[in-house]
Amino acid sequence: DIQMTQSPSSLSASVGDRVTITCRASQGISNYLAWFQQKPGKAPKSLIYAASSLQSGVPSKFSGSGSGTDFTLTISSLQPEDFATYYCQQYNSYPPSFGPGTKVDIK
Amino acid sequence: QVQLVQSGAEVKKPGASVKVSCKASGYTFTSYYMHWVRQAPGQGLEWMGIINPSGGSTSYAQKFQGRVTMTRDTSTSTVYMELSSLRSEDTAVYYCASGTTGDYWGQGTLVTVSS
Repeated sequence: DIQMTQSPSSLSASVGDRVTITCRASQGISNYLAWFQQKPGKAPKSLIYAASSLQSGVPSKFSGSGSGTDFTLTISSLQPEDFATYYCQQYNSYPPSFGPGTKVDIK
Repeated sequence: QVQLVQSGAEVKKPGASVKVSCKASGYTFTSYYMHWVRQAPGQGLEWMGIINPSGGSTSYAQKFQGRVTMTRDTSTSTVYMELSSLRSEDTAVYYCASGTTGDYWGQGTLVTVSS
């Protein structure tokens, strides 16, 4: 099975900050990587698929990059509604696996 | 618009089974696979398995093999996830999610296993 790691596990940031989260796969997954946002008590929301493609309706302040084993999610200017936990997921091979999450909170 | 509406919270005793439903609307039910993902309290996301609503084929995570069964009813656009031999560690919120990349998610169903 492919193991996913994320760094950092948590971060504190201010409104307006640029935030970058890293996701690493234990083996190459091409670009079969998705990012999800989850707020407390809510279902995850899909942000990005195929490493860099934005889901419909997701604001362009979110961007993704990477291929192979290393990926990043960037939020260009953090807003109050962006404080949440972010998960990456590989879907290159079964079973699909999630990273442990990165919690973004207010500094 | 796409909606996935799940059944309500359940409380079960250890050893029992639970069956959670997920009713899809707003798209052609048989066009997209459906995943089941769970989240224990304060923990991350765990993939359980997938069903093809068109033919009914399934694939389960090794961890749940023998305990989980996913089915679908095309007449009502509903998928089901049944988990048997419940233990306290199965206490979690269970989500359905449609599409290859989990484009749309249900609201979640809390299953509590307690004696």
